[in-house]
Amino acid sequence: AQSVTQPDIHITVSEGASLELRCNYSYGATPYLFWYVQSPGQGLQLLLKYFSGDTLVQGIKGFEAEFKRSQSSFNLRKPSVHWSDAAEYFCAAVYTNAGKSTFGDGTTLTVKP
Amino acid sequence: DGGITQSPKYLFRKEGQNVTLSCEQNLNHDAMYWYRQDPGQGLRLIYYSQIVNDFQKGDIAEGYSVSREKKESFPLTVTSAQKNPTAFYLCASSMNFGGGETQYFGPGTRLLVL
Repeated sequence: AQSVTQPDIHITVSEGASLELRCNYSYGATPYLFWYVQSPGQGLQLLLKYFSGDTLVQGIKGFEAEFKRSQSSFNLRKPSVHWSDAAEYFCAAVYTNAGKSTFGDGTTLTVKP
Repeated sequence: DGGITQSPKYLFRKEGQNVTLSCEQNLNHDAMYWYRQDPGQGLRLIYYSQIVNDFQKGDIAEGYSVSREKKESFPLTVTSAQKNPTAFYLCASSMNFGGGETQYFGPGTRLLVL
């Protein structure tokens, strides 16, 4: 079955430290890949997306993600985390034969002062 | 401003009652979606509509119903057949269905059972 896995349920980092959130998608044809962010009690906002081409994708708010076909991964990174980055982050994939989005279970980010 | 609105923000349901969640978009998008979000879980697709007057069941459609009579509106009814309706419900839309289309989300409706 098509699936998206976010191995880390909860991550805590200090403000100013670097961040990496992991995302793995199931094997097969490369899907369209997305990262969304959700503040408490709010809807989701797109951070970035990958279709093809350059494997390093830049997004909003200083985030970037790197697609690695060999590892079926699409990890999200930020060089220096700000307190306002505390939120829940979702990785999602759209497999072309399905058309629907498959979401990971999310990673909650806590930022320590 | 273009966007998606959902109402109400909070909704309470009594046993045996049907309730309807509203979702409106003024983005001129063809596709619309309803997701359910439970704590510690990702979003699960309830129903989606690729175009007006058409909709399909998602992964967890039992106990829910939808309509798509207007392009901008995609209301979700939680029926009494849904035995565990307490959740956060998110509506989304995209220009077209599938592929690399970005989904734009509303602020959500939290449904609670009395």
